[in-house]
Amino acid sequence: EVQLVESGGGLVQPGGSLRLSCAASGFTFSTYSINWVRQAPGKGLEWVSYISSSSSSSSRSIIYYADSVKGRFTISRDNAKNSVYLQMNSLRAEDTAVYYCARDRGWLEEYYFDYWGQGTLVTVSP
Amino acid sequence: QSALTQPRSVSGSPGLSVTISCTGTSSNVGAYNYVSWYQQHPGKAPKLIIYDVGSRPSGVPDRFSGSKSGNTASLTISGLQAEDEADYYCCSYAGSHRVFGGGTKVTVL
Repeated sequence: EVQLVESGGGLVQPGGSLRLSCAASGFTFSTYSINWVRQAPGKGLEWVSYISSSSSSSSRSIIYYADSVKGRFTISRDNAKNSVYLQMNSLRAEDTAVYYCARDRGWLEEYYFDYWGQGTLVTVSP
Repeated sequence: QSALTQPRSVSGSPGLSVTISCTGTSSNVGAYNYVSWYQQHPGKAPKLIIYDVGSRPSGVPDRFSGSKSGNTASLTISGLQAEDEADYYCCSYAGSHRVFGGGTKVTVL
């Protein structure tokens, strides 16, 4: 069974940092890209970041960010641990949201999120 | 990276059809046949219901269909059922990133 499980959310003060994790199981993790998508309370979905699959230890992943988080958030992956991480620095109140990880296979031009995690809540407040 | 435009809400009676539009630009919806649609019930994660404009994943009822013309994609729900009441989001590939619509709440009367 395909599973994506997010963790690491919580309450943080403005300007603070938080690291989210997305643990994958039930599929060949290294062949899938992973995205982070967030949803502010009562609002719609917002794509945050993308990291490509990496089929070999020598190949570097392709990484993209939304303009709203560029320079503050860093995405990374550890294929040995079947995990993706989102390091969030300089957090702002507007970053308050449920953060979902979702997989796709962009290298096969499969630009859709077929599995999502259950989400982890990040609250940025004094 | 502006959001795609969706109506905030649509409604319909059981058994009838509703259509949700999703308007983008020539840089996203109009440029690629990579529009997907997601259904989200309250407190749940989104679920993929349409990909590549009009394809359905296994297990999604054929009551759900998608299409595209120019910069506007559409999702049609035929034979509306009570369990279809949810929020629906379109999403388009846009080169180096993805862009979502603002979401449409579907109410079954």
